[in-house]
Amino acid sequence: DSGVTQTPKHLITATGQRVTLRCSPRSGDLSVYWYQQSLDQGLQFLIQYYNGEERAKGNILERFSAQQFPDLHSELNLSSLELGDSALYFCASSVGFRGTDTQYFGPGTRLTVL
Amino acid sequence: GDSVTQMEGPVTLSEEAFLTINCTYTATGYPSLFWYVQYPGEGLQLLLKATKADDKGSNKGFEATYRKETTSFHLEKGSVQVSDSAVYFCAALLRVQGAQKLVFGQGTRLTINP
Repeated sequence: DSGVTQTPKHLITATGQRVTLRCSPRSGDLSVYWYQQSLDQGLQFLIQYYNGEERAKGNILERFSAQQFPDLHSELNLSSLELGDSALYFCASSVGFRGTDTQYFGPGTRLTVL
Repeated sequence: GDSVTQMEGPVTLSEEAFLTINCTYTATGYPSLFWYVQYPGEGLQLLLKATKADDKGSNKGFEATYRKETTSFHLEKGSVQVSDSAVYFCAALLRVQGAQKLVFGQGTRLTINP
């Protein structure tokens, strides 16, 4: 158990809908990262927050947005969903913002768009 | 652009066999390098890392040496066990769009037969 929790575990929805994925980092960690894992694209970095502020951005679509709240939990919002958004979404946390800080991954949320 | 390439899978071995999973990177400079492991139904876990050239990372019998001459970070284990069955990801800390991000290889699925 990494100490990072993600809810829900599974999510099934339809095209055009909007969903919110939630992540709670390990106690004491200030950084939260979001990743998308799909069969065709592999594991891709989406976005990083550090202590409430956006720190780095990856290949995140404009239809996707994220935020980190004062209690440090984070939410990833996916809107106007398409079939191709079906994937496993991971959240990770680390104590600081440096890339060399070990990232601890949650168990993921599996999103299925029908 | 900067990228990480790892040996395609799947790889199937017998218990106690020697394991090598190849990983090479393309980048400016000498990025920190990582191996992550993903067991079925779980998130990724850091297996080992090396932050500078010629460093050797090791954990749980696995080793990888940072070779700057060949820009490689191959994962090795002398005697694999059934419990090592998992997907292994090589990753590099690369500067992309002005920020440091973990860039992952495509993953190698390893199956160990008793």
